[in-house]
Amino acid sequence: GAGVSQSPSNKVTEKGKDVELRCDPISGHTALYWYRQSLGQGLEFLIYFQGNSAPDKSGLPSDRFSAERTGGSVSTLTIQRTQQEDSAVYLCASSLDIGINEQFFGPGTRLTVL
Amino acid sequence: GNSVTQMEGPVTLSEEAFLTINCTYTATGYPSLFWYVQYPGEGLQLLLKATKADDKGSNKGFEATYRKETTSFHLEKGSVQVSDSAVYFCALSDSGGSNYKLTFGKGTLLTVNP
Repeated sequence: GAGVSQSPSNKVTEKGKDVELRCDPISGHTALYWYRQSLGQGLEFLIYFQGNSAPDKSGLPSDRFSAERTGGSVSTLTIQRTQQEDSAVYLCASSLDIGINEQFFGPGTRLTVL
Repeated sequence: GNSVTQMEGPVTLSEEAFLTINCTYTATGYPSLFWYVQYPGEGLQLLLKATKADDKGSNKGFEATYRKETTSFHLEKGSVQVSDSAVYFCALSDSGGSNYKLTFGKGTLLTVNP
């Protein structure tokens, strides 16, 4: 596609439910990143993938958060047993490779946990 | 750890006014520095970058110079337009083993009035 796409654009869920957020990176980009944008914390790095591997998961807030990437393309961020503090905009980005290559961001998924 | 501090907004200017948004950073080594912009309803876009000391990044009339001695990367534009209204984020990428990760400032909301 022309850019990074994310779905859904908005997600409202009840506390305790699981959610899956999807990211389609730019074709040919080997690196994929997840960030979270919230009022209190600003923009925080969550995890990145090089191919299908996630060398650094240290930004994931808790073990309720997990992510996978298949076929070196689509990635899914899963939040189990959602809590109200998980409410935020989840941003995905991709780049040709890691390092100083430009990261191209998707429009984000706004998650609201009631 | 790495951190980015940028001036808090909101900033409100009249069209054709001069813009400065201050950004200072703390990092180990020699990071790459970025300004990202988020227009209303859109994803983050790279505005400009600089990868080494004394480099000047420029784009769309915006400029920022990498100042190692003051650990700063201030964003400037000589004459702002209404279309520049957006949120601006200063960010850095470590030069070391975690160079995949962007560390962002909190963002500065700019509103330009006609």
